[in-house]
Amino acid sequence: DQQVKQNSPSLSVQEGRISILNCDYTNSMFDYFLWYKKYPAEGPTFLISISSIKDKNEDGRFTVFLNKSAKHLSLHIVPSQPGDSAVYFCAASVYGNKLVFGAGTILRVKS
Amino acid sequence: EPEVTQTPSHQVTQMGQEVILRCVPISNHLYFYWYRQILGQKVEFLVSFYNNEISEKSEIFDDQFSVERPDGSNFTLKIRSTKLEDSAMYFCASSEGTANYGYTFGSGTRLTVV
Repeated sequence: DQQVKQNSPSLSVQEGRISILNCDYTNSMFDYFLWYKKYPAEGPTFLISISSIKDKNEDGRFTVFLNKSAKHLSLHIVPSQPGDSAVYFCAASVYGNKLVFGAGTILRVKS
Repeated sequence: EPEVTQTPSHQVTQMGQEVILRCVPISNHLYFYWYRQILGQKVEFLVSFYNNEISEKSEIFDDQFSVERPDGSNFTLKIRSTKLEDSAMYFCASSEGTANYGYTFGSGTRLTVV
C-alpha cells in the first residue's frame, strides 16, 4: 500500500533553522491530511492537520502546506529545536475514516 | 493532559496462544481504534469502533481478531491464535470525532510471538 509516501527516511537540521518534511500521496479521494510525531517507546502524537479545501495551516512553529495538484504536502518547523528530534509521520484519510500512514521521516535537530 | 493507557507494555506469547491487549481510551471520546506497526514497516490500520460496533476493519483484521468494549471504559483487542507474523507494536487510539480530529494514541503494546 503506497498511497502515502515519505521518500526521505531521515533529515538532519541545525538548531534554529527550518525543517521541511515532505509527503506525497496518490489517492485523490483523500480529503484530510495529518502529521504525527513519534518518540521511541511512545505512541504517535498528533501535531497538525489540514483539510483538502485549504492550502496552508499554521500552529505556532508548525506549518503544513498542501499542493493538491501535485498531491504533495509538507511540514515546516521554524525554528527547529533539539526536542523536535523524532520520527514524523504523514497520514491521510477519506471522509474521516481510517488513517493511512507514510513510512515516516527521522528528524535530527543538532544543537 | 488526558491519556490513552495501554497494558501490558510488552507481551510475549507462544504461537497458537490467545492474547488480549487492553486499552483505556480517553473518557469522553467516542471513536476507538487499533493500529499496528510491524518492525521496520508502516503504521497500519486494523479496526475502528463506534457506538459499540465495528465501523471499519482492514484486511488484516480477519477472524482471528476481535474487539470489545466490555464495561464502558476498557477497549480490548483479542487475537485468538497468534502467529509469528502477529509480532508487532499494537497501538490503541481514541478520538472525539472522526480521524480529522487527530487521534490520541496510547504508548503501545509490543507483542512478541515465539
